[in-house]
Amino acid sequence: GQNIDQPTEMTATEGAIVQINCTYQTSGFNGLFWYQQHAGEAPTFLSYNVLDGLEEKGRFSSFLSRSKGYSYLLLKELQMKDSASYLCAASNAGKSTFGDGTTLTVKP
Amino acid sequence: DVKVTQSSRYLVKRTGEKVFLECVQDMDHENMFWYRQDPGLGLRLIYFSYDVKMKEKGDIPEGYSVSREKKERFSLILESASTNQTSMYLCASSYSTVDGELFFGEGSRLTVL
Repeated sequence: GQNIDQPTEMTATEGAIVQINCTYQTSGFNGLFWYQQHAGEAPTFLSYNVLDGLEEKGRFSSFLSRSKGYSYLLLKELQMKDSASYLCAASNAGKSTFGDGTTLTVKP
Repeated sequence: DVKVTQSSRYLVKRTGEKVFLECVQDMDHENMFWYRQDPGLGLRLIYFSYDVKMKEKGDIPEGYSVSREKKERFSLILESASTNQTSMYLCASSYSTVDGELFFGEGSRLTVL
């Protein structure tokens, strides 16, 4: 079966750093996606990790540990526009299974 | 600009009606997917397709069927809509059968009365 866990809600302050965790238990696994979804909009791709370690892309970084079934998304220098839902998805053979999403609220 | 287009943003249907949700992508992607998104339940996969005329059940296929007659078009069909199918439906496509990021449409919000 597939089980993806991430926190439901998080709050952080503008300019700060926030880490959104995701744990997964899946019967097959290729890699781990992170998507961003603003309210009323479609999800958009943020990052993909297939190897262990940290992938950095501007203010956003994503980490994967395959042995621990664990990933996190790190957002630096938070901006108000980063208020959104962040979706973790475990992928296997082209098919993605999503967590319930973490709603991040950035406050001034 | 690459795009996944869903035919209707908002639909209101009555219980028992047949509902068609259309999705078209212009990226020549092999893979297409239908998800539904509900508060507290995240995105759940209904059906997917890796090629024309091909379909595979996802995690929650009951009450749904799909059609993929052309590579660019993937339709979701509710044969007899029920109130528990009120949801946001998201179509997506990707370019790789190994792993490829999903490109999503804007979504179709269906209300079944």
